[in-house]
Amino acid sequence: KQEVTQIPAALSVPEGENLVLNCSFTDSAIYNLQWFRQDPGKGLTSLLLIQSSQREQTSGRLNASLDKSSGRSTLYIAASQPGDSATYLCAVRPGGSQGNLIFGKGTKLSVKP
Amino acid sequence: KAGVTQTPRYLIKTRGQQVTLSCSPISGHRSVSWYQQTPGQGLQFLFEYFSETQRNKGNFPGRFSGRQFSNSRSEMNVSTLELGDSALYLCASGRDRGYQETQYFGPGTRLLVL
Repeated sequence: KQEVTQIPAALSVPEGENLVLNCSFTDSAIYNLQWFRQDPGKGLTSLLLIQSSQREQTSGRLNASLDKSSGRSTLYIAASQPGDSATYLCAVRPGGSQGNLIFGKGTKLSVKP
Repeated sequence: KAGVTQTPRYLIKTRGQQVTLSCSPISGHRSVSWYQQTPGQGLQFLFEYFSETQRNKGNFPGRFSGRQFSNSRSEMNVSTLELGDSALYLCASGRDRGYQETQYFGPGTRLLVL
């Protein structure tokens, strides 16, 4: 059974710092991995999607990597800003016919001005 | 292009009642998935519909049901509500069942059961 873990559960950093969020999954048979952002009481905003054949994806100040063999992904945020404060969720889409996303519990990020 | 819309946004019900939530996917998307989000369990998959057919179902009791219409709009129904059904219900749409593309989430319906 696929399980997704995110560490740490919460993180507080000063503005301007570069930071890394971690995601691990137990079964390497995945179609892809997706990082989302969720603001309090809101829906999910897709940040980056990495296919199983890819090693990384970049969008602006965000860079996500995927090491399928070790079951790990990282989300790197450069030069953090207070507006980056949110919960970041990692989700994998398992291989096979069961295509629903399996989510980690998220990392709650707070960037202090 | 309009995003995924969900109605209503907020709902208060009492135990034993039933509720219907609606989701309109992005135009052209044929896949709709539903998730329940609670502080304790996080995001859990309810079911997925594609072209009016339920393709996958999560591990929820039969009180949770759904359907998809020919225009890809989807509804989910929860009968005999319990306190533990209080949650944020999110729906997500996608273009295909190839599972290669991004899923786009709506703002959610927050359900409170008293």
